Amino acid sequence: AQTVTQSQPEMSVQEAETVTLSCTYDTSESDYYLFWYKQPPSRQMILVIRQEAYKQQNATENRFSVNFQKAAKSFSLKISDSQLGDAAMYFCAYRSALPGANSKLTFGKGITLSVRP
Amino acid sequence: NAGVTQTPKFRVLKTGQSMTLLCAQDMNHEYMYWYRQDPGMGLRLIHYSVGEGTTAKGEVPDGYNVSRLKKQNFLLGLESAAPSQTSVYFCASRSWDKGRGEQYFGPGTRLTVT
Repeated sequence: AQTVTQSQPEMSVQEAETVTLSCTYDTSESDYYLFWYKQPPSRQMILVIRQEAYKQQNATENRFSVNFQKAAKSFSLKISDSQLGDAAMYFCAYRSALPGANSKLTFGKGITLSVRP
Repeated sequence: NAGVTQTPKFRVLKTGQSMTLLCAQDMNHEYMYWYRQDPGMGLRLIHYSVGEGTTAKGEVPDGYNVSRLKKQNFLLGLESAAPSQTSVYFCASRSWDKGRGEQYFGPGTRLTVT
């Protein structure tokens, strides 16, 4: 079974600064997807960024980028130029890409990010 | 385009009562999921469905039942609610897109069992 670990329960960043959220995972599969989801106080789950394991290039979405280290099974999220609206809980998630897999997501426990003005 | 909707948004139950949570999606997605979110636990899969008329157990299925009689709806039932089922429940759906499709989440239902 796959597991996702987010070892930091909380982090804080100064507005306009850069912060990195850590995530590690464990799997025996070679093909899979990794995700970062944002959950603001509204509770809505918002997809921030997705990485496909077969792609060596790190995914980037505007101020959000990842550092994907497949051999180390590490998937960190970097938020540049942090904004007050980035304050939320962030979840790292894994999904198998195997044919016939039910495509369920396995989530980490989440990290609460606060942004200081 | 409403996406994924959940009914109700909030509910308080007494121990032993029953209720059904409704999830509806208008994106013609094949896959649908029910997760629960508890403090410090992330989201955990309760049940899922890969198509109309099919359901399967997830990570924490005990105490819940589900049905998918129509493609667009996925119902989660609690036959005899327990305080341990106090949680926030999320429904999600996804298309079969050669494995690439993302999951779309509903807004969540906060359930309190007293």
